[in-house]
This record gives sequence, C-alpha cells and structure tokens, in this order.
Amino acid sequence: AQTVTQSQPEMSVQEAETVTLSCTYDTSESDYYLFWYKQPPSRQMILVIRQEAYKQQNATENRFSVNFQKAAKSFSLKISDSQLGDAAMYFCAYRSYSTGANSKLTFGKGITLSVRP
Amino acid sequence: NAGVMQNPRHLVRRRGQEARLRCSPMKGHSHVYWYRQLPEEGLKFMVYLQKENIIDESGMPKERFSAEFPKEGPSILRIQQVVRGDSAAYFCASSTAKTTLANEKLFFGSGTQLSVL
Repeated sequence: AQTVTQSQPEMSVQEAETVTLSCTYDTSESDYYLFWYKQPPSRQMILVIRQEAYKQQNATENRFSVNFQKAAKSFSLKISDSQLGDAAMYFCAYRSYSTGANSKLTFGKGITLSVRP
Repeated sequence: NAGVMQNPRHLVRRRGQEARLRCSPMKGHSHVYWYRQLPEEGLKFMVYLQKENIIDESGMPKERFSAEFPKEGPSILRIQQVVRGDSAAYFCASSTAKTTLANEKLFFGSGTQLSVL
C-alpha cells in the first residue's frame, strides 16, 4: 500500500516571499501521479499542480512549482511571490497508474500555510 | 456548468440516527468518489462508484455505511446508527472516463460536515 507523509503541520511565510512545502511518499510502483491540493477555509479542494512520475521535468503552474525527486520519493511544492490568498491547508496526494480508470487518491495529513502581510 | 454539488453542507444527527449525504457530480461525469476527512487529517478514500455500480469499496467501513449512484439522481452516502466517531467532513469528487489518463481530473465538492451529538 502507498503512504504519503507530510511531516510539517504548519508553516508561515511573509507576503511576496517564497515557501517550500515538503512531502514524501512510499510506493513499490514505478508509474504513478503526484498532486498538490489546496483547501481554503471554504473546504473546496482545489488542484494546484500535478506531476507524472515518468516525466523527469518538474511541473510548473505560474507561481507554483514542484521539486520531484523520484529516487528519494520526495515531492515538494514551492510557492513563489506568496499572496494572502495562498493561505490554506495544502495536501500532497498520490494516485497509482495501475488502477486504470479508478482515480482514488492517497492523501497526506496536510500542512497549514499562513501568509503574513 | 455547475461544479460538484453536495448537500447538505452541515448535518447534525444524534447517536443512533441515520445520515444521508448527497452528491451531484458535474454534468457528464459518470464516476463518483467519496472521501472522509477527520479533524487534523487528510482525506481518506471510502468508495468509488460508476452509474449503478460499486467499483471499489475498499475504504468503506464494513458495517453501517453504504453508497449508491443510481441511474437517475445524485449519489448517496448513507450512514446508519451514527456514532460520535462518524463526525467528519465527507467529500465527493467526480470525473469522466472519456478523457485519457494523462489529462483526467478529479473535481471535488465542498463537502458535508457531519456532527454527531
């Protein structure tokens, strides 16, 4: 079974600064997907970024980028130019490739990010 | 195109009562997933359904919990004889099988917060 670990429960960043959120995972599979989701106080889960394990290039979405280290099973999220609206819980998640159409995700416990004005 | 709709947003039940949580997937989506989020925890997969079929219920408790996704109408997560430990946020997500795995996306609802008194 796969596991996802987010060991930092909370982090804080100054507005306009850069912050990195850590995530490690454990799997015996070679093909899989990794995700970062944002959960603001409204509880809506919002996809931030995704990474296919077979791609060596790190995914980037505007101010969000990842550092994917497959051998180390590490998947960190970097938020550049932090904004007040980035304050939320962030969840790292894993999806197996082998399950076909079944898109069930394994989530970490999440990290609460606060942004200081 | 409305997103994934869950209702009610908040549900209060006394111990021993039944809880019914509803999820209307996005238009055109035939795959529904239910997740449970306990306080200070990440989302845990419960069940995956396609229209009229349960595909994967590996995360469902063996007793008191059931789910359905009828041909017409919303998906229902039903919890019989609720106990305090059932208090959690329950999320629904939907997707379509018509996309390829590479661009498949899960869309989440805003969840139902169940409180058991």
